[in-house]
Amino acid sequence: SQQGEEDPQALSIQEGENATMNCSYKTSINNLQWYRQNSGRGLVHLILIRSNEREKHSGRLRVTLDTSKKSSSLLITASRAADTASYFCATDPPGGGGNKLTFGTGTQLKVEL
Amino acid sequence: DTGVSQNPRHKITKRGQNVTFRCDPISEHNRLYWYRQTLGQGPEFLTYFQNEAQLEKSRLLSDRFSAERPKGSFSTLEIQRTEQGDSAMYLCASSPSWETQYFGPGTRLLVL
Repeated sequence: SQQGEEDPQALSIQEGENATMNCSYKTSINNLQWYRQNSGRGLVHLILIRSNEREKHSGRLRVTLDTSKKSSSLLITASRAADTASYFCATDPPGGGGNKLTFGTGTQLKVEL
Repeated sequence: DTGVSQNPRHKITKRGQNVTFRCDPISEHNRLYWYRQTLGQGPEFLTYFQNEAQLEKSRLLSDRFSAERPKGSFSTLEIQRTEQGDSAMYLCASSPSWETQYFGPGTRLLVL
């Protein structure tokens, strides 16, 4: 079963704009991760935020985590056509040891020239 | 570091046939994971190995599914008596620790 849900399901923006996608989850977590998947291919790890962190940056990526609301957001600034992909959040429950990531349903991002 | 590789990349089979997929993890990664992904959904956890020991299995992994990791290196996932509902992308991932998982390109299975 899917732990989380991403919102929106699909997002279309122009190159240079910012893209924000949200993830909600159901149970307590040890950490939350974001992955990118290009069409029909494997997943690429983007960023990990621990349950005791509220915000994290990596290049053009900014992730926030609100454990009280059981939600996270991923912001991609100054988007590029190459950012076109599906984005998934994945949660690692306490005691899970990172062995059993539970993924959301994903947001399909399309960045148009 | 050549990344996680999976073979075959695509497999078409008839219902009732057995299929086997192979995953070669990044060398020295002692953890290996299998996931299944259907169209429009996120990956779902199937099973996890630490070295050669299979430490966790999802209830999604029915009796028709078996996974092995002999010698703690490559892993195989076998599906016996395939059903149309088994059609999906099968993803393998490996990791050196309990955090970031590195995914392979996946094996896309179509059961006719």
